Amino acid sequence: QSVLTQPPSASGTPGQRVTISCSVSASNIGSTFINWFQQVPGAAPKLLIYSNNQRPSGVPDRFSGSKSGTSASLAISGLQSEDEADYFCATWDDSLNAGVFGGGTKVTVL
Amino acid sequence: QEQLAESGGGLVTPGGSLRLSCLASGFNFNNYYMSWIRQTPEKGLEWIAYISTTSRTVYYADSVKGRFTVSRDNSKKSLFLQLTGVTVDDTAIYFCAREPVVFPAARFDLWGQGTPVTVSS
Repeated sequence: QSVLTQPPSASGTPGQRVTISCSVSASNIGSTFINWFQQVPGAAPKLLIYSNNQRPSGVPDRFSGSKSGTSASLAISGLQSEDEADYFCATWDDSLNAGVFGGGTKVTVL
Repeated sequence: QEQLAESGGGLVTPGGSLRLSCLASGFNFNNYYMSWIRQTPEKGLEWIAYISTTSRTVYYADSVKGRFTVSRDNSKKSLFLQLTGVTVDDTAIYFCAREPVVFPAARFDLWGQGTPVTVSS
């Protein structure tokens, strides 16, 4: 069973680098791929990163993902005001045949 | 332009039923696995159902198993979610989302705008 744990909030000033963690608890951690979504208020989530570190076309390279051991991370470099949003990590749990989302991290641009 | 558009949400009494629809446009719906995901301020995003292209494979979250049924009509480019035996805990915004790979990966690359469901007496 996979459980994804995120900090509830993160913040930074314009231009700063912000990192959001996603702690992964899974029996098959090695084969777990993490996806990241951005959700601005009033809109649907948008795929930001898939398979730990792949960016879909159209996503700025300011956004990057990584995974090491039991933790995945989303980094936002050169923070901009429009990056103020909620960010969710997600994965598919093959043992449960179920999707799993982290609780979300609200990023505030100070 | 690739789009998903949900409809059918509304107010339903506890124990009641509701059918949600999701209409796809701008892409070949037949080729994509699909999911339903719901969201509340308290619980955040919750994946609830997945269906393969042929409807042969379906998966449900434990929270809705036995009460909700996912289905699709490829000829109408439509995805459905039948809700039965609803409780107040089913109150949420319901999204349909596209899986861009031929296996479940929670890599939802296209989302609808969501349809709200409120369960209340």
